[in-house]
Parts: sequence; C-alpha cells; structure tokens
Amino acid sequence: QKEVEQDPGPLSVPEGAIVSLNCTYSNSAFQYFMWYRQYSRKGPELLMYTYSSGNKEDGRFTAQVDKSSKYISLFIRDSQPSDSATYLCAITPGGYQKVTFGTGTKLQVIP
Amino acid sequence: GAGVSQSPRYKVAKRGQDVALRCDPISGHVSLFWYQQALGQGPEFLTYFQNEAQLDKSGLPSDRFFAERPEGSVSTLKIQRTQQEDSAVYLCASSGPDGLHEQYFGPGTRLTVT
Repeated sequence: QKEVEQDPGPLSVPEGAIVSLNCTYSNSAFQYFMWYRQYSRKGPELLMYTYSSGNKEDGRFTAQVDKSSKYISLFIRDSQPSDSATYLCAITPGGYQKVTFGTGTKLQVIP
Repeated sequence: GAGVSQSPRYKVAKRGQDVALRCDPISGHVSLFWYQQALGQGPEFLTYFQNEAQLDKSGLPSDRFFAERPEGSVSTLKIQRTQQEDSAVYLCASSGPDGLHEQYFGPGTRLTVT
C-alpha cells in the first residue's frame, strides 16, 4: 500500500465550477499536509500547507484535513482556465522535511 | 532571478554514459532536496542536504546515483552508467531555516536515456 493515494484523473470541469481534489494516507505519523500545483514542464509550487485537522482558506483555495479518516482535500472555488494544472498532495511527519507526494491529479478547466 | 535554477534543462544520454545535473538553490537556503519524477507520477524523494551534510540518501535507487554539495550551496546529482529506467525529470528543491516545509522547486532537468 502506498503511503499516500491520489486519483490521477484527469478531471475536466467548466469554468466557474467548484473543484474537489482528494488524497488518502496510511500512516498516522504524518503531521504536515501540503498541496502543490505543477504546470506542464515546470517544477511544483506550494499552494498551501497545514498541520492540523480542519479547514484552511486562502483566496479561492481551501485545504481540508481529517486526521481521523486520514483524508485530505483541496477545494477550488470559481475555477479558472489558469487553474488547469496537475495538483499534488504531499505529506510529511514533520521535523526533518522528507516529503512524500501523491501521484497528482490533472485538472482541466474549460472556458 | 531569486528562484531555484537547474541545468541543463534537457539532457539526452546514451545508455552507459555518465551524467551530472546541477542545482543552484535560493541564496541562503540551508536545506536542499533532490527528487525524481517519472512521467505521470509525483516526485519521489532521492536525497537531502542540510548545508554540506548529506543527511538522508535513502531514496537513491542504486549506487550509480551520487549527490554532493561540497560548499553548502550548489549541488550536483551524478548518475553513472545511465540506464533507460533512469529517464525522468530530476527536480531540485530548497528551503530556508524558517521555511518549515515550504520547499521551492526548480524547473527540473529532463533526462532521456537512449
């Protein structure tokens, strides 16, 4: 079993839709949770990180963590064509910063 | 620019050749990471440096892979006797002492072994 599981998609939505991206993880030792966005032929860029259960909001993006279910989500409101990219969840136990990434979900927002 | 830079951006090597991939982290960043990203997959951890010390190399897939950061800034990932399965994008990331898990990634080097 992989440490973190993520549906690879692709996911195609119309502009303005609410997008929900999800990951599950297996080890309760993981304490820090991140979402990265990766455009084609670019390196990943950090969107959000959180270390507690609950919601964290930043503009159109909301990260949600449920440690009891080992489930993390990223919601994108009012999706835009510029949001078209691959979204990677990432987890780490904390302290020393080794990060484990999901496979990524490819999102396409259609104008 | 103040971001992480990597060179070359693209590298084609014949099977059996040695390659060296360079990473210039953000100035002042003490932590440096190398990842390997296969097509359609997320990045896989290779190795981690804190300043010049290589603290974790557990992700290096074989003894053909070697990384160094002799002066605590620029890092080089070397792959000896390249194999076709080494074809991937190699990503470098750095983070500062207060950056916790905020790793800044470079654009990667796309290695193709023919």
